[in-house]
Amino acid sequence: SSELTQDPAVSVALGQTVRITCQGDSLRNYYATWYQQKPGQATVLVIYGKNNRPSGIPARFSGSSSGNTASLTITGAQAEDEADYYCNSRDSTGNPVVFGGGTKLTVL
Amino acid sequence: QVQLVQTGAEVKKPGASVKLSCKASGYTFTNHYMHWVRQAPGQGLEWMGMINPNGGSTTYAQKFQGRVTMTRDTSTSTVYMELSSLRSEDTAVYFCARDHNDGYYLLGYWGQGSLVTVSS
Repeated sequence: SSELTQDPAVSVALGQTVRITCQGDSLRNYYATWYQQKPGQATVLVIYGKNNRPSGIPARFSGSSSGNTASLTITGAQAEDEADYYCNSRDSTGNPVVFGGGTKLTVL
Repeated sequence: QVQLVQTGAEVKKPGASVKLSCKASGYTFTNHYMHWVRQAPGQGLEWMGMINPNGGSTTYAQKFQGRVTMTRDTSTSTVYMELSSLRSEDTAVYFCARDHNDGYYLLGYWGQGSLVTVSS
């Protein structure tokens, strides 16, 4: 079955730009979806498709993709963006939905 | 607004089964897939499967096939996830998540999670 690989941890200075990446074979055929998870709060869908933000998601969040790598970019990171971020995608070779291992974002 | 209210915490012994519920409101229940995702302590998200409340068809992750059963009750807008032959590694928070309008594979709305502890 397909796997998605994420860096375990990334840090960014307040107000700076950070990119969180997700790699996997399924991303050659399907867009990545990005989720934000904060302790004690419901998990939130932040980016899906080519680069779509659900209502309520700030414009500083954007998504992109190239080859087998998808990226979530936060332009001007805020303290409230500190969270765990998970990518997932569809997959045609195994389970229909697969998650990456998650990236812990620290805003310094 | 979409709300997903899940069962409270459960403690089970190894070998037992657990059946969790997820009661949906704020939308037409049969129009949207429901997924189940779990997260072991300190670990990442793991997709378990999904159910189409319109008809009840299910798709399970290969890892859980034979051990998981997802059902729904349209009269109460509730989906259930039963996991059998529990072992310590099944200790986790279990989330239900409704799909997004733009795709059944997008998990657009998440429940608060149900902690299942498997311990002798």
